[in-house]
Amino acid sequence: EAGVTQSPTHLIKTRGQQATLRCSPISGHTSVYWYQQALGLGLQFLLWYDEGEERNRGNFPPRFSGRQFPNYSSELNVNALELEDSALYLCASSFGPDTQYFGPGTRLTVL
Amino acid sequence: AQSVSQHNHHVILSEAASLELGCNYSYGGTVNLFWYVQYPGQHLQLLLKYFSGDPLVKGIKGFEAEFIKSKFSFNLRKPSVQWSDTAEYFCAVKGNNRLAFGKGNQVVVIP
Repeated sequence: EAGVTQSPTHLIKTRGQQATLRCSPISGHTSVYWYQQALGLGLQFLLWYDEGEERNRGNFPPRFSGRQFPNYSSELNVNALELEDSALYLCASSFGPDTQYFGPGTRLTVL
Repeated sequence: AQSVSQHNHHVILSEAASLELGCNYSYGGTVNLFWYVQYPGQHLQLLLKYFSGDPLVKGIKGFEAEFIKSKFSFNLRKPSVQWSDTAEYFCAVKGNNRLAFGKGNQVVVIP
């Protein structure tokens, strides 16, 4: 069974640009979660999508947004990029409230 | 909101030594607790989890953890480590379907 997949693996942007990160959940999983792993800050919850709806968001500004598609895949968009947005962005999926399984992440570098 | 504390962020030990990593959480609701591991160059993987029942939980690769409700703790143990246990270990508590992670323990096992 394929795990959670994310693309791209690496992404380099400049300040002020927009970044789009993609995630495909494990087959059968309906919930997708996004986390940011920034140096020195650890893993922080960003967003939770379930059945196409945003269910919860962490303490991040509105320029972090996303959506979930009918096939349960998800996109994370970061607008007006700032240097401190440089981090590893992890996607996880679950079937309902069950255990979350993580993908390999997208390394975003903002120059 | 839930939170997790992990101590001794860097641990260095020799093969065959015993390992114990501390985890204390703060959350007022029903706790779901997890230990995830990130091996060098790999993505975050589930090591073990506690939802309910027997407070002593056994996970993969000989790891176990004990949930002590009165101490708000979920410590991870392994009686005899191997070089391949070199990794970063994260404790997490789930509340409102989001995971709150500790800062992690970087464990290095010397052959």
